[in-house]
Amino acid sequence: EVQLVESGGGLVQPGRSMKLSCAASGFTFSNYGMAWVRQAPTKGLEWVATISYDGSSTYYRDSVKGRFTISRDNAKSTLYLQMNSLRSEDTATYYCTRGGITTFDYWGQGVMVTVSS
Amino acid sequence: DVQMTQSPSNLAASPGESVSINCKASKSISKYLAWYQQKPGKANKLLIYSGSTLQSGTPSRFSGSGSGTDFTLTIRNLEPEDFGLYYCQQHNEYPRTFGGGTKLELK
Repeated sequence: EVQLVESGGGLVQPGRSMKLSCAASGFTFSNYGMAWVRQAPTKGLEWVATISYDGSSTYYRDSVKGRFTISRDNAKSTLYLQMNSLRSEDTATYYCTRGGITTFDYWGQGVMVTVSS
Repeated sequence: DVQMTQSPSNLAASPGESVSINCKASKSISKYLAWYQQKPGKANKLLIYSGSTLQSGTPSRFSGSGSGTDFTLTIRNLEPEDFGLYYCQQHNEYPRTFGGGTKLELK
């Protein structure tokens, strides 16, 4: 069974940093692209970033380029999202997803990130 | 960016009925459209991709159609577990973009 479990969320002040992790199991992690998708409170889904199966290619939405970094450790089957210079508009539930090169075929339960002073 | 517009935003129906949800892209995305279901306390679920291909495990009462800019998700013979939020998403180009969502409620 595919499982994606996010961690690392919480309350952070504007301008500070936070790193999210996603532990993957139930599939060969190193064979799949992975992505982060977020959802602001009461809003719709918004793609954030995608990384290829081997980490050689990354893609970001414009609003996070230069502030967020997606990475992976295939030996640990873990996906990361390093978020710097956080803004109030980054407040959202962040979902780890498998895929992202095309569609997102498995999703985690999500982790909440609140950016507020 | 490709803007995705879903309609209606809200939809009320009864078990056994059939419903359709529409998704319109701001420019052609060929066949590359996916549909997702979101329910409280459950992981989001991919239902359909490439416009009409059912993801493994998606019941056959779900179907997708369309190409270019106009797409439709149809659910026939609604089951109680089908009520929730539905999103479309284009997977033709970056940035990947989602529609605003359609809330399917019990009438």
